[in-house]
Amino acid sequence: KAGVTQTPRYLIKTRGQQVTLSCSPISGHRSVSWYQQTPGQGLQFLFEYFSETQRNKGNFPGRFSGRQFSNSRSEMNVSTLELGDSALYLCASSNLGGADEAFFGQGTRLTVV
Amino acid sequence: DQQVKQNSPSLSVQEGRISILNCDYTNSMFDYFLWYKKYPAEGPTFLISISSIKDKNEDGRFTVFLNKSAKHLSLHIVPSQPGDSAVYFCAASVGRAAGNKLTFGGGTRVLVKP
Repeated sequence: KAGVTQTPRYLIKTRGQQVTLSCSPISGHRSVSWYQQTPGQGLQFLFEYFSETQRNKGNFPGRFSGRQFSNSRSEMNVSTLELGDSALYLCASSNLGGADEAFFGQGTRLTVV
Repeated sequence: DQQVKQNSPSLSVQEGRISILNCDYTNSMFDYFLWYKKYPAEGPTFLISISSIKDKNEDGRFTVFLNKSAKHLSLHIVPSQPGDSAVYFCAASVGRAAGNKLTFGGGTRVLVKP
């Protein structure tokens, strides 16, 4: 069974630009969650999508958005990038959204310059 | 305001000995707790969990203890092995089916010396 796949693995963007990250969950999983990991704030929950609907949302500004497609693949978009958005972005998939079912991808390392 | 804290950023232990990792939380609504292990360049991997209705859960070399009154949990690894060297995160959620809305601690880096 293939794991959670995140693309791209590494990304460098300039302040003010926007970026789209992709997450392909494990086949059959319907829940995809996104997390931001930074040295200062640790791992923080961004949002969760289940069957194409945003079900949970963390405390991030509206510049952070996401969506989920009918095949459960999810994208995360960050607009008007700031230096502080430099982070490792992780997605996790699970079948129903159970906390201990979550399988994480390797993450996308975003650097904003 | 960090709702889940791991106060020890690092821990060094000899192979074969016990590793004890600690985690404190402040939100009394949390009722499900998990430990994850993370190697460099990989995503976190689920290790073990515990519901607030229990005070202990074991899985092989890993045991998690929960003290609800103290809002404290700990992970014991016995015996520690060099392959256990990684960063360990505790996480908490309100409910097990929480839509993966986990609140993580800052992590503890464990080094197991041969």
